[in-house]
Amino acid sequence: QQPVQSPQAVILREGEDAVINCSSSKALYSVHWYRQKHGEAPVFLMILLKGGEQKGHDKISASFNEKKQQSSLYLTASQLSYSGTYFCGTEIRYNTDKLIFGTGTRLQVFP
Amino acid sequence: GAGVSQSPSNKVTEKGKDVELRCDPISGHTALYWYRQSLGQGLEFLIYFQGNSAPDKSGLPSDRFSAERTGGSVSTLTIQRTQQEDSAVYLCASSLGRQGSGRKAFFGQGTRLTVV
Repeated sequence: QQPVQSPQAVILREGEDAVINCSSSKALYSVHWYRQKHGEAPVFLMILLKGGEQKGHDKISASFNEKKQQSSLYLTASQLSYSGTYFCGTEIRYNTDKLIFGTGTRLQVFP
Repeated sequence: GAGVSQSPSNKVTEKGKDVELRCDPISGHTALYWYRQSLGQGLEFLIYFQGNSAPDKSGLPSDRFSAERTGGSVSTLTIQRTQQEDSAVYLCASSLGRQGSGRKAFFGQGTRLTVV
């Protein structure tokens, strides 16, 4: 039931782009994205609801393909502050709010 | 409170002892989650409370683990007869809950449990 994220780790130089994928074996109602910096609590980035929408937050955006049961997080022109571990949280049924998180993708941005 | 509060922040216990971890969610949040994060690993779902509904305990790894939520607010996660493999950071999160979906979760700073 746990979604699978890929890649497991990404190393970037400032200004480079990255894509993180989240795939589920179950039909999804929504996908949530969180970022966790070392030693800190995960922090919410965005939610995507069933309907194939794409959202953006500064230079971080995401898409949700319900047919493929997957979501992708796009980081454009990465900054040092983007470093951390990214988790997708999936909700398989409407109105449950139960979040199952993926395996995580560790992103490191270097100057 | 301003955010999700967890206590203690660190706990070292001897193998075989029982421990209690506490979570104070954001006031008004009806949904409360417990997750476990082992070193360098992902967020493992443990248990989920939603209002007055029966909790979803499907993620609890063994019957040594239990959790309760009193008055729809504070929650306590209890681990009995702790084992070394229980060592991890235990994270609590809360959200506004079942009002349509898409409610973001706010996480506490976690309790780092070390079983020696």
